[in-house]
Amino acid sequence: DAGVTQSPTHLIKTRGQHVTLRCSPISGHKSVSWYQQVLGQGPQFIFQYYEKEERGRGNFPDRFSARQFPNYSSELNVNALLLGDSALYLCASSLGGLKGDTQYFGPGTRLTVL
Amino acid sequence: SQQGEEDPQALSIQEGENATMNCSYKTSINNLQWYRQNSGRGLVHLILIRSNEREKHSGRLRVTLDTSKKSSSLLITASRAADTASYFCATDAGFYSFGNEKLTFGTGTRLTIIP
Repeated sequence: DAGVTQSPTHLIKTRGQHVTLRCSPISGHKSVSWYQQVLGQGPQFIFQYYEKEERGRGNFPDRFSARQFPNYSSELNVNALLLGDSALYLCASSLGGLKGDTQYFGPGTRLTVL
Repeated sequence: SQQGEEDPQALSIQEGENATMNCSYKTSINNLQWYRQNSGRGLVHLILIRSNEREKHSGRLRVTLDTSKKSSSLLITASRAADTASYFCATDAGFYSFGNEKLTFGTGTRLTIIP
């Protein structure tokens, strides 16, 4: 079975631009979460979506937004990019049930803002 | 903000030796998970231990959880060069509901296995 997939793998943008990152969850998984990992740090929670509804939001500015589609894939959008947005963006999927499910991560998108 | 702190921040051992990493966290949790990350790529799930469990094994991995001390340890036995990676603990402290599984990560331990 295919794992979580993310696109693109790498991305270079300049300050002020907009970026869209994409994630496809494992088949059968209905929950998708996004994390930002700055170099040398652990991942930080940005958003979680379940059944196309936002279920959690981390401490990130409104420049960050996301959505989940009927096929459970997801997009993360970042507007007005800042140098500090340079990071590895990770997507994770899980079944999304009553118990704390295991989250499976994709390979990430490396975003560089110049 | 980071929920947990891994200790040590970096660890170098000879191949074949055992490696032990510790994780401390701040709030009550539902479960704790350990992940491995190679060269800044995606996270690989290693093991999940629930708050009502004290020890769990998976292959060469042994995880313990002490909720009274808010700490966990990951033991990798008979280490191999391929175990070289960063290891993170992640806690799930949210209320159980459909889709509520926010993970809070520690700062990671960088493990280097010397052949």
